[in-house]
Amino acid sequence: DTAVSQTPKYLVTQMGNDKSIKCEQNLGHDTMYWYKQDSKKFLKIMFSYNNKELIINETVPNRFSPKSPDKAHLNLHINSLELGDSAVYFCASSRPGGAQHFGDGTRLSIL
Amino acid sequence: GENVEQHPSTLSVQEGDSAVIKCTYSDSASNYFPWYKQELGKRPQLIIDIRSNVGEKKDQRIAVTLNKTAKHFSLHITETQPEDSAVYFCAAPGGAGSYQLTFGKGTKLSVIP
Repeated sequence: DTAVSQTPKYLVTQMGNDKSIKCEQNLGHDTMYWYKQDSKKFLKIMFSYNNKELIINETVPNRFSPKSPDKAHLNLHINSLELGDSAVYFCASSRPGGAQHFGDGTRLSIL
Repeated sequence: GENVEQHPSTLSVQEGDSAVIKCTYSDSASNYFPWYKQELGKRPQLIIDIRSNVGEKKDQRIAVTLNKTAKHFSLHITETQPEDSAVYFCAAPGGAGSYQLTFGKGTKLSVIP
């Protein structure tokens, strides 16, 4: 069984559209994260969420919003997509202060 | 917030040689230091981690050393093999939340057969 699963794996869409990426973890972890990996392979934290607390990295535009229907899911919704949003987005989960387990990533391409 | 510097950005070694990647961090309160390996087109995978109550940890050909006084930690890979070729990331806790990791910019390791 895949521990952290993301869908879709690839997402190609036009500028200005709204899209969502789903993430589910079956590890029983309390904390989930979203990362953005750009073309230079830099991994940057976007959000962390643990049911009680959402922490947003200050550099993330408010067009990005995480939504958590329950402890095992943290979806990422993006409004008004821009060219600069093209990247690979990784979901991850962990116990508090523990090792983070990553999903396989969603490659987002904006046309 | 935490600042993590990683060097070198690229590293080429002959198969069988050793590889060393170094990272420095800024927050003296950081107490957990993982290393991730990312193969091309794949997800980052944890390969080894160390907590601040030990100075060294080893797992087969991989070892990590930590110097809390100097605020740096290093990844050592011995007897390198072609399948070790990947991008390696160090990380340290910090950023806006206590559970968040700040990653180094990565080291692309190429092992030449």
